[in-house]
Amino acid sequence: QKEVEQNSGPLSVPEGAIASLNCTYSDRVSQSFFWYRQYSGKSPELIMSIYSNGDKEDGRFTAQLNKASQYVSLLIRDSQPSDSATYLCAVSGSSNTGKLIFGQGTTLQVKP
Amino acid sequence: GAGVSQTPSNKVTEKGKYVELRCDPISGHTALYWYRQSLGQGPEFLIYFQGTGAADDSGLPNDRFFAVRPEGSVSTLKIQRTERGDSAVYLCASSVTGGPYEQYFGPGTRLTVT
Repeated sequence: QKEVEQNSGPLSVPEGAIASLNCTYSDRVSQSFFWYRQYSGKSPELIMSIYSNGDKEDGRFTAQLNKASQYVSLLIRDSQPSDSATYLCAVSGSSNTGKLIFGQGTTLQVKP
Repeated sequence: GAGVSQTPSNKVTEKGKYVELRCDPISGHTALYWYRQSLGQGPEFLIYFQGTGAADDSGLPNDRFFAVRPEGSVSTLKIQRTERGDSAVYLCASSVTGGPYEQYFGPGTRLTVT
């Protein structure tokens, strides 16, 4: 079992729709969770961090965390073609040094 | 302000050669991380520095890989006797301090071993 799992996709949504990206993790003691966006040929760009159970909203993005279910998700409202990218879920390792464990990423395609 | 910078952006080397990859973190960030990303995969942790010391090097694949951060700012990742399997994008990230804090990535160095 991989430590951080994401569906590789592609996830295809029409422009203006809500895109829902999901991630599960195996280490129960993980405390910090991050979503990165990565455009083709570019490096990961941090878009959201979440540390507590529940929802965290930032503009069109909402991160949701459920530690009991070991599940974290990212919702993108009013999806735009410019949101088309790979979204990486990252989880802090149990050593709490800041070492991040990444999923393989989900490719999102927003069609005009 | 300036983000994380990495040089070179691309490096092509022959199998068996030695390479150095450089990372300059965000000013004031004391924690620095190296990751490696292969095509279609998420970044894979290599090493973490808090200040000048390597606090966690558990991700270094073998003793051909070594990293330093002598003055607590710029870091160099060194790879000896390169192999074709070392080909990947090497990413550097920094954060305000070590621990479960937000990490910001540089543009990466694409290493190709021929």
